[in-house]
Amino acid sequence: ETGVTQTPRHLVMGMTNKKSLKCEQHLGHNAMYWYKQSAKKPLELMFVYNFKEQTENNSVPSRFSPECPNSSHLFLHLHTLQPEDSALYLCASSQVNRVATDTQYFGPGTRLTVL
Amino acid sequence: SQQGEEDPQALSIQEGENATMNCSYKTSINNLQWYRQNSGRGLVHLILIRSNEREKHSGRLRVTLDTSKKSSSLLITASRAADTASYFCATAGSGGYQKVTFGTGTKLQVIP
Repeated sequence: ETGVTQTPRHLVMGMTNKKSLKCEQHLGHNAMYWYKQSAKKPLELMFVYNFKEQTENNSVPSRFSPECPNSSHLFLHLHTLQPEDSALYLCASSQVNRVATDTQYFGPGTRLTVL
Repeated sequence: SQQGEEDPQALSIQEGENATMNCSYKTSINNLQWYRQNSGRGLVHLILIRSNEREKHSGRLRVTLDTSKKSSSLLITASRAADTASYFCATAGSGGYQKVTFGTGTKLQVIP
């Protein structure tokens, strides 16, 4: 878990609130990811940023809005969420080359509860 | 989809025993990775095996890869209570594609 930090670790919000999740990587990687992990479901890839450009948006609802201001920081802006959005949100980073991605390094996650 | 699927979904063993988890996938890969997750925490990378490798060791971990069968196995020898966690395989495609696809995981419980 060292190398990739996430804040806050826990978040409880109402459906009308606006909040943001923050991720920071200190590993010098060129790609960052947002994943959603719900109970009894596979890890779902939400967004991928490669060199600060979004290269993947896995059909995520517009109430989730990512932002990558530089290669070390990644945000996930949340607004008008639904109770089914309650989950563990994981950030990861990796070094991507022309062939494939290598090991992903994960943050500890933000446990989100939507009331 | 090249999503990995782990088998079994859950495994309970006594401390000291070996634990074996299997992963199957559907399409060609560049590498396969195994991760571990303690309850409610982030994933921790354990080992990466490339498509041209057949076996890899790291401490008490042994990973095999059979690309003809599109399967991999993770063996944890002499298990400890601290090995209790969920274990995931993840596949990375070939051709410059940076997406890594995770399986559903095996929940391992090691009883002291």
